Amino acid sequence: LAKTTQPISMDSYEGQEVNITCSHNNIATNDYITWYQQFPSQGPRFIIQGYKTKVTNEVASLFIPADRKSSTLSLPRVSLSDTAVYYCLVGPLLWAGNMLTFGGGTRLMVKP
Amino acid sequence: IAGITQAPTSQILAAGRRMTLRCTQDMRHNAMYWYRQDLGLGLRLIHYSNTAGTTGKGEVPDGYSVSRANTDDFPLTLASAVPSQTSVYFCASSDSTGSINEQFFGPGTRLTVL
Repeated sequence: LAKTTQPISMDSYEGQEVNITCSHNNIATNDYITWYQQFPSQGPRFIIQGYKTKVTNEVASLFIPADRKSSTLSLPRVSLSDTAVYYCLVGPLLWAGNMLTFGGGTRLMVKP
Repeated sequence: IAGITQAPTSQILAAGRRMTLRCTQDMRHNAMYWYRQDLGLGLRLIHYSNTAGTTGKGEVPDGYSVSRANTDDFPLTLASAVPSQTSVYFCASSDSTGSINEQFFGPGTRLTVL
């Protein structure tokens, strides 16, 4: 599995756009990039997944450059409720019997 | 729809005792997983099951066992608990036949071994 590196923590203010970058230099051809969000005292929750270019859903956008060695999770206009830990996961699809590996994540603190 | 449930919510256990953490999902997902999360750290996979009747070891399986008698249930057993097994335990499930690596997590069980 490709090793990922992401900042340990980030601070932001309400209404700002937050970008969390994840480095995965050893990403393999069949690897996908998946982001999860975890609130205190809860299990992680899937946010978004992508393979290349840009993916957008109602929660976030995921930007993946052509070389796929990094990815950026973008949260538009964050609110206090976006305070959470965000995990970047890189690996092949689960259907082939693969597992997800959660690293330490990025602890995002949104301030008023 | 309940999704995925875990029991108990929390437990204080004496070292050496046997304990089973329960996990049930009603989404008919083929795959189920057990993770532990220690304070301030990410999740580590203990055991998994890709389908009823099969199980596999994750990153930290020692001291734990699982069974998957049917699709819905995936209990985790600590045969003889030790203080290092104090942690928050999360059960998860997924329909791992598709193109999205989405796992659904339960609310967690907070276990303290004294």
